[in-house]
Parts: sequence; C-alpha cells; structure tokens
Amino acid sequence: DTEVTQTPKHLVMGMTNKKSLKCEQHMGHRAMYWYKQKAKKPPELMFVYSYEKLSINESVPSRFSPECPNSSLLNLHLHALQPEDSALYLCASSLSVGSEQFFGPGTRLTVL
Amino acid sequence: GENVEQHPSTLSVQEGDSAVIKCTYSDSASNYFPWYKQELGKRPQLIIDIRSNVGEKKDQRIAVTLNKTAKHFSLHITETQPEDSAVYFCAAIIERGSTLGRLYFGRGTQLTVWP
Repeated sequence: DTEVTQTPKHLVMGMTNKKSLKCEQHMGHRAMYWYKQKAKKPPELMFVYSYEKLSINESVPSRFSPECPNSSLLNLHLHALQPEDSALYLCASSLSVGSEQFFGPGTRLTVL
Repeated sequence: GENVEQHPSTLSVQEGDSAVIKCTYSDSASNYFPWYKQELGKRPQLIIDIRSNVGEKKDQRIAVTLNKTAKHFSLHITETQPEDSAVYFCAAIIERGSTLGRLYFGRGTQLTVWP
C-alpha cells in the first residue's frame, strides 16, 4: 500500500456537532501531519506527529484535537467548529520528520 | 521563520511551449525543496524535489534548478500538455530545531495550458 487514505471524503456538520476525521498509511512512515487548505491557497500546517508523539502544534484552536493511536493512524477530532473552519483537511505522512511528505486526498469539511 | 515567495501567480502557455515558475527563500538553512502539483479537487502530489547539495534535477519533461547563493529555485516544464494545467506549489524545509518537519509553501502558481 503506497498511499495515504482519508475518511470521510466529505463532511457537513453543524456548529454543535462532534465529528472525527481519519487518516491511515501503511508505508511505515513515522511522521504524520494535518493541514488545512482554503480555496486557491497553499496548505497550512496544523499538527505534526513524530513517532506517535505530537511535535508541532501551530497554535491551533482547541476545537481541533489530534490523536495518533498508532504509527499508521491519525485522527482529528472536531467539536464546536465555526463556519470559517470550512476547508479541505489534508493528512500527510513521511518516512521521518523533514523527509518527503505524501498527501492524502483530503476531507472536504463544511460547517453550517 | 522561513519565507518562500513564488512567481508568477498565474501562467498561461500554449501547448508545446515551456513554462517556468520561480521561487525564492529567505533562510539559508533550508536544504530540501519539493514541488507539488494540485489539480482541482485533488491532493497535492509531489512531482519533483531537490536537495541543497544538488544544482539541478530532471525527470522527463520536468526539471528543477537550485541556486543556493541567490536562494532561489525554479521549476521548468517543457513541451507542456493540457494535463499539466494545475496549481503548482514550491516549498522549503529547514532540517533543524523546532522547525523540523514544517513545510514552508509558496503561494502557488495557476498554470493553464491551452490546446
């Protein structure tokens, strides 16, 4: 398996909902990342996990809560989001922090 | 932190022509420079990269050049085809300290190839 996968592909949620995004890779990569991307903009880094430990948190609001249960899986728990949080959420992985990053297809999130 | 500038923001070329996208970076500690292609509604895909110990790298119709002294790197696409139409992002990574792992992206270039 040479890809990063993400579920769901699309998600619509209200401001009071709780939902989770899931990312998986089976390439033996030990670094995983969450990015947020708005239309016509580059991806913005949110979190970096290295060997299942959070190594970078880019001052992301606490309504976004990452979790790395094991080396293949990365979750992003969402709670009390705002409409401006609507975006494409991309997961990426790399062999180690600082090496080539490979992106998943993303989850298109809409907050109503 | 690192600052990556990318030009132009839009580029239109005729099929078969060449396209060049240029990026500059500010931190001389940056030593890895990937280029991503993102088609509409799709994921960013790594198309070519270069490390600071190399001046040029080529892969079929795509090449990247790096000038460490001037702190700039460029993407060259020859014999462009309509399927090359996409947004291209340059990026830089500083492999040190607290910034390790952070990809600094340019703002992107929308390339359109007209048949």
